[in-house]
Formats: sequence, structure tokens, C-alpha cells
Amino acid sequence: GQNIDQPTEMTATEGAIVQINCTYQTSGFNGLFWYQQHAGEAPTFLSYNVLDGLEEKGRFSSFLSRSKGYSYLLLKELQMKDSASYLCAVRVSTGKLIFGQGTTLQVKP
Amino acid sequence: GAVVSQHPSRVICKSGTSVKIECRSLDFQATTMFWYRQFPKQSLMLMATSNEGSKATYEQGVEKDKFLINHASLTLSTLTVTSAHPEDSSFYICSASSPSNNYGYTFGSGTRLTVV
Repeated sequence: GQNIDQPTEMTATEGAIVQINCTYQTSGFNGLFWYQQHAGEAPTFLSYNVLDGLEEKGRFSSFLSRSKGYSYLLLKELQMKDSASYLCAVRVSTGKLIFGQGTTLQVKP
Repeated sequence: GAVVSQHPSRVICKSGTSVKIECRSLDFQATTMFWYRQFPKQSLMLMATSNEGSKATYEQGVEKDKFLINHASLTLSTLTVTSAHPEDSSFYICSASSPSNNYGYTFGSGTRLTVV
């Protein structure tokens, strides 16, 4: 089966840095995606990792370790608008995109 | 960039009726369409995968006779919720994948279905 785990909720302070972890055990691996989703809206693509290492894109960075089945999303200089759900998703060998349960991030002043 | 148009954005229907949700790829050919449902405060659950011109492949536990998926063309896929019941109330969202978008995933804007 497919198992993708991430914390349910996190809270952080405006201007701080937060790291959202994701661990996965899936039938095949063909890349890991991070999405941001606000309530009632479609997910918005943030990052994609298929090789080990760190991908940086502005305030957002994502790391992947395939041997450990582990990824994290790093958000820097947090802003109030970053309050949202963050979804970790794995593309498995069939091409399907399987989502974790999502992490709700609350940014406080 | 790649755009998927999903309609309607919101729909309210009576129990026992059927509702059709459409997803159109506007500027690329969607060879594969994924359909998800999302309950409040939960993540996206894959319902089925459809390839143009083929029958959809449903995930375990998803009733294919209740959730009819048609992918007759490379730009249009539909999901019909038949004989809807209140427990079918959910957020339904499609996602297209294609060589045209580098096998990335382009999401529609979602449909909020409420069955009363």
C-alpha cells in the first residue's frame, strides 16, 4: 500500500522559519511534490524533487532523501498569507499522484 | 501555462439526482485525468484515473457505477455522480497530466457539491 505521513498541524510566528516533514512508503517512486492549498481552492504547486538534495525557490525550499523516504518543505520569512494547508504528494510508478493528509500551518503575528 | 477549467464551481442538488462535473484542458491535450475528492479538513483522495479513449481505473472502495467517468477527448473529462446522497457532498477536483505539461499535474479549480 501507499503511506505518506506528515504532521496534522503546525503553528509558527510571522517572520520565522518553519519546516514541514513528510515521510513516505510507496509502491515505486517517481518524484515528490509539495503543494499549498487554501480552504475551498485548488492546490498550488510549490516544488518538485526527484533527486536527492535541496531545491530552493525564493522563500520556499524542499529537500529529498530517497534512501530515507523523507522530504521536508522549508518556509522562510513567514508571512500571514502563508497560513494554509501544505500537501506532500508522491508520484508512484503508475503515474498516479498520492497525497499525504496535509499539514495545516497557522502563522501568528 | 497549462490551464484546466472545471465547472461548475459549486452545485447543490437534491438526493437521488445526478450531477455532472466537467474538466477541460484549455491549451494542451490531457492524455490522463485524475479525479479526487476532498472532505473538510482532509487531504485529496484519488478516486480514479482516466486515459483518453479508455475506461477509467477506479481506486479500491470507489463505486464505478456511482461515479461515472468519461474521457472521450483529449480536452474533456467528465465525472457524473449518479443518484447522489448527502454523504456524497464533498469537494471534487480534477488533475490533468500530459507530455504537454511535462507530465506535471495541472489542477482544476474544484467543484463544491452539496446534496440536500
